Amino acid sequence: NAGVTQTPKFQVLKTGQSMTLQCAQDMNHNSMYWYRQDPGMGLRLIYYSASEGTTDKGEVPNGYNVSRLNKREFSLRLESAAPSQTSVYFCASSFLAGGVADTQYFGPGTRLTVL
Amino acid sequence: EDQVTQSPEALRLQEGESSSLNCSYTVSGLRGLFWYRQDPGKGPEFLFTLYSAGEEKEKERLKATLTKKESFLHITAPKPEDSATYLCAWIRDDKIIFGKGTRLHILP
Repeated sequence: NAGVTQTPKFQVLKTGQSMTLQCAQDMNHNSMYWYRQDPGMGLRLIYYSASEGTTDKGEVPNGYNVSRLNKREFSLRLESAAPSQTSVYFCASSFLAGGVADTQYFGPGTRLTVL
Repeated sequence: EDQVTQSPEALRLQEGESSSLNCSYTVSGLRGLFWYRQDPGKGPEFLFTLYSAGEEKEKERLKATLTKKESFLHITAPKPEDSATYLCAWIRDDKIIFGKGTRLHILP
């Protein structure tokens, strides 16, 4: 099992460019999450998908969109990148039963720099 | 406001010098608390889940405990490979909320 995989590992964008971060999990989890991690700020939730076909905003959703493509895949899109979106992005997945979160398993991250 | 606070922010220990990391919380109706380890340039790695006060979990040199107000991650006789950032997190409905972490550095 690969667990949670993310592509790309590194990306450099110019202000205004767009890109999509890809995430896939092979653990048959029903919920998936996108976080960003910045120095001194910890992990902050951007968007999540509690189940296939649903998505919800987290703590810092502005400037991002997401798509839950199927049960395995959850993508994060930056439509017009800004320097403030320079960060490390992590995808995670878990089982969600009865609306209560459980242990999340993380991917290796995407390091994004916006110039 | 529900929140989790980790202390200290950073800790340097000599190899073999035992210590504890703290995660204090003010969360009503805590449903569960997690501990994760994160190495530089990598994603967080799950260590433990604690669901109720009095519960303890152990793994190698690490032991996590939970009271009604805080959780401790005890590190016994640490080795340099235990150097990492340790994160605690708590369940808020269908999400988990992370603390800012403690950076642990074990000197050989």
